[in-house]
Amino acid sequence: QQQVKQSPQSLIVQKGGISIINCAYENTAFDYFPWYQQFPGKGPALLIAIRPDVSEKKEGRFTISFNKSAKQFSLHIMDSQPGDSATYFCAASIGNYGQNFVFGPGTRLSVLP
Amino acid sequence: GAVVSQHPSRVICKSGTSVKIECRSLDFQATTMFWYRQFPKQSLMLMATSNEGSKATYEQGVEKDKFLINHASLTLSTLTVTSAHPEDSSFYICSARAMRGTEAFFGQGTRLTVV
Repeated sequence: QQQVKQSPQSLIVQKGGISIINCAYENTAFDYFPWYQQFPGKGPALLIAIRPDVSEKKEGRFTISFNKSAKQFSLHIMDSQPGDSATYFCAASIGNYGQNFVFGPGTRLSVLP
Repeated sequence: GAVVSQHPSRVICKSGTSVKIECRSLDFQATTMFWYRQFPKQSLMLMATSNEGSKATYEQGVEKDKFLINHASLTLSTLTVTSAHPEDSSFYICSARAMRGTEAFFGQGTRLTVV
């Protein structure tokens, strides 16, 4: 019940295209859903996060869509760029920020020039 | 965002020796720090949570005598891998949360190779 599922495992997108990564969870106690971006050999960096009281959050080219009833959330990267090529992790936690994170398995995104 | 620094970024040690990894919050006081382990092309697995001045809480399956965690101040936590073996080779990442319970920020990670 603590698991967070993520798909696809890898994704190849042309420059300018839309990258979409999906996550699903079971534990309805989760109330904080961040997305992290990780470049090879580096630690993850927070990209964008959402709480279940909103259905969508947009920051620049990055948008989280959240479906509470389906227990699913997704990351959309608009106008994808080669610099977006990285591994993306969704996560979920209960309570305060940063506690008891459960990470998805990750999606390796490659944006072709 | 806030800065969390790990040192060293890479370390190679001989089997049977111990290695210490430092995690520092540079511009905020971190009451809680988290230690993760990440195998190649895999996700982050939480190893332990440490609160300043308290004993760390280890996740199930993590040997506390092998992975010693110390969080002696509000800006520093250390992870010591004792009697390291090749199977301990991994990417270790810390994260830190400020006192007021805001976002957790991640360090850049430490690549440990045990030979």
